[in-house]
Amino acid sequence: QVTLRESGPALVKPTQTLTLTCTFSGFSLSTSGMCVSWIRQPPGKALEWLALIDWDDDKYYSTSLKTRLTISKDTSKNQVVLTMTNMDPVDTATYYCARIQYSSGWSPFDYWGQGTLVTVSS
Amino acid sequence: QSALTQPASVSGSPGQSITISCTGTSSDVGSYNLVSWYQQHPGKAPKLMIYEVSKRPSGVSNRFSGSKSGNTASLTISGLQAEDEADYYCCSYAGSSTFWVFGGGTKLTVL
Repeated sequence: QVTLRESGPALVKPTQTLTLTCTFSGFSLSTSGMCVSWIRQPPGKALEWLALIDWDDDKYYSTSLKTRLTISKDTSKNQVVLTMTNMDPVDTATYYCARIQYSSGWSPFDYWGQGTLVTVSS
Repeated sequence: QSALTQPASVSGSPGQSITISCTGTSSDVGSYNLVSWYQQHPGKAPKLMIYEVSKRPSGVSNRFSGSKSGNTASLTISGLQAEDEADYYCCSYAGSSTFWVFGGGTKLTVL
């Protein structure tokens, strides 16, 4: 059974760098077609796609945030890490990781973690 | 402002049907049959309800259906039940530069 769980600090200060970890089970990022994505949701607002890493270590980023984001994976630990630099209060959100697959086309985000709320405040 | 436009709210009585629209552009909804819909209850993670415009994942009630015409996708829920009350988000693939865009979400109230 597929599960994902996000972890990281609940509170960061403005200008700091946020590091979030997604630990998953039930699939492997060394399997062709497997990918993990990060998506965030500010309180009371809509979902926003942030980044994706695939089985081949290819990385894709939101155009508006790409200068601040880095996504990486540790296949042996079943983990994906997202870092976001220069945090601002507008980055306050629940951050989700989700599984997505590629097989002659993109699948939907079929499994999601429970999310982790990150507040940016001094 | 979200890339895809959804009504902020819709409502219906138990047993009725409702439809939620999701309007994009020729660069996203209009170009790809990769529209998905997610249900989100308060404080919970989104749950996949519809993918590839009209396909239902295993375990999702057949009361949920999806369609698309041009740049607008739609989610229809028939036989409304109290448990359907939630926020609904559409999502579309938008090509290899933008990747994925979401709608602003629609709050469904079951009266």
